[in-house]
Amino acid sequence: DAKTTQPNSMESNEEEPVHLPCNHSTISGTDYIHWYRQLPSQGPEYVIHGLTSNVNNRMASLAIAEDRKSSTLILHRATLRDAAVYYCILRDPLNAGKSTFGDGTTLTVKP
Amino acid sequence: NAGVTQTPKFRVLKTGQSMTLLCAQDMNHEYMYWYRQDPGMGLRLIHYSVGEGTTAKGEVPDGYNVSRLKKQNFLLGLESAAPSQTSVYFCASSYKIPQYLDGYTFGSGTRLTVV
Repeated sequence: DAKTTQPNSMESNEEEPVHLPCNHSTISGTDYIHWYRQLPSQGPEYVIHGLTSNVNNRMASLAIAEDRKSSTLILHRATLRDAAVYYCILRDPLNAGKSTFGDGTTLTVKP
Repeated sequence: NAGVTQTPKFRVLKTGQSMTLLCAQDMNHEYMYWYRQDPGMGLRLIHYSVGEGTTAKGEVPDGYNVSRLKKQNFLLGLESAAPSQTSVYFCASSYKIPQYLDGYTFGSGTRLTVV
């Protein structure tokens, strides 16, 4: 399974945009890029996913590099409730959709 | 719509004891997965299933067995628990849609301590 690399931690101020980067230089052509977040003592929660084009939903935006070797999760206005561990993973529909989770990025939001 | 339900939520086992963790989903998902998460770390895949009656090994399968006799249920068994299996166990499920994968839906986890 292809791996992803994320910074261990990031800080943001409340109501400011946050850009969380992810590198996936060994991504295959069939891998989808997924983002999840995990609040303390909870299971991970799906945020967004994409293949080649940028994606938007009510929670966030996903910007995918043209060569697909990196992506960025964008939270447009961070709130205190966005403080969590964010995971970037790759899912391949040709490989049972299973994934490898790294250690993620711990996002701290300051009031 | 309950999503993914895991039972039990907490359990303390003595070394050598056995137990079964149950995962149930009501979304008609084809794929189901068991992950473990050790403190401060990411999730590691134990076993997974692509459909009723089929299972396969993930990254860390040793010491665990699984069964999927019904599409909605995925059981994780520990035959002889060891302290190294102290962890939080998460079950996840998702659709199998050709050329498109929806996100995982995770359960709330089972916190297992082996003493």
